[in-house]
Amino acid sequence: QVHLQESGPGLVKPSGTLSLTCTVSGVSITSYYWNWVRQPPGQGLEWMGFILNPGKTNYNPSLKGRVSISADTSKNQFTLNLTSVTAADTAVYYCAKSRAYGGDSDYWGQGILVTVSS
Amino acid sequence: DVQLTQSPTTLSASVGDRVTITCRASQGINAWLAWYQQKPGRAPKLLIYMASLLESGVPSGFSGSGSGTEFTLTISSLQPDDFATYYCQQYNEYPWTFGQGTKVEIK
Repeated sequence: QVHLQESGPGLVKPSGTLSLTCTVSGVSITSYYWNWVRQPPGQGLEWMGFILNPGKTNYNPSLKGRVSISADTSKNQFTLNLTSVTAADTAVYYCAKSRAYGGDSDYWGQGILVTVSS
Repeated sequence: DVQLTQSPTTLSASVGDRVTITCRASQGINAWLAWYQQKPGRAPKLLIYMASLLESGVPSGFSGSGSGTEFTLTISSLQPDDFATYYCQQYNEYPWTFGQGTKVEIK
């Protein structure tokens, strides 16, 4: 069965870079869309971007060019990098798989809380 | 960006009630809309995709309808497991966006 698992630091300093990895099992990341979605505490969901291998990406303009998503197909992992973080980037970060046409996400990781604080 | 507005924001209902949540898009999105259920501390769970298609494994008491700018999620008979927050998401154009959520509470 398909399984996604986020990993990375739970604490990042202001102005630093947030880096998270999503490890996927049960399906190859060479197919489908692979997303990052975040949720600040007590708030709603925000789509951050996706990677569609090989190498096609799309990002939410609200992140003002601070976001990048890359993939390592040999490890079946994809990675989120978010630069110049502030306290407003404190959130639970989810990785999620979308179907071949994109959009709706049928599998999600459990989420990882990342706090931005000195 | 396509803005999605859900109503109501909070809904108080009893077990067995029929519940309807509306999602209105700021511009036409065809049928490229999904509905998710999220419980506290858990990831969202896909319920409905392409506006009206029931995701595999989701109880048949959930249904979706609509196209263009107005969409609804209906729970035919509210069950104890259905108390949660529900989100709509459009994927007609980038950036993909979510509604602000509707919390279904016990009355």
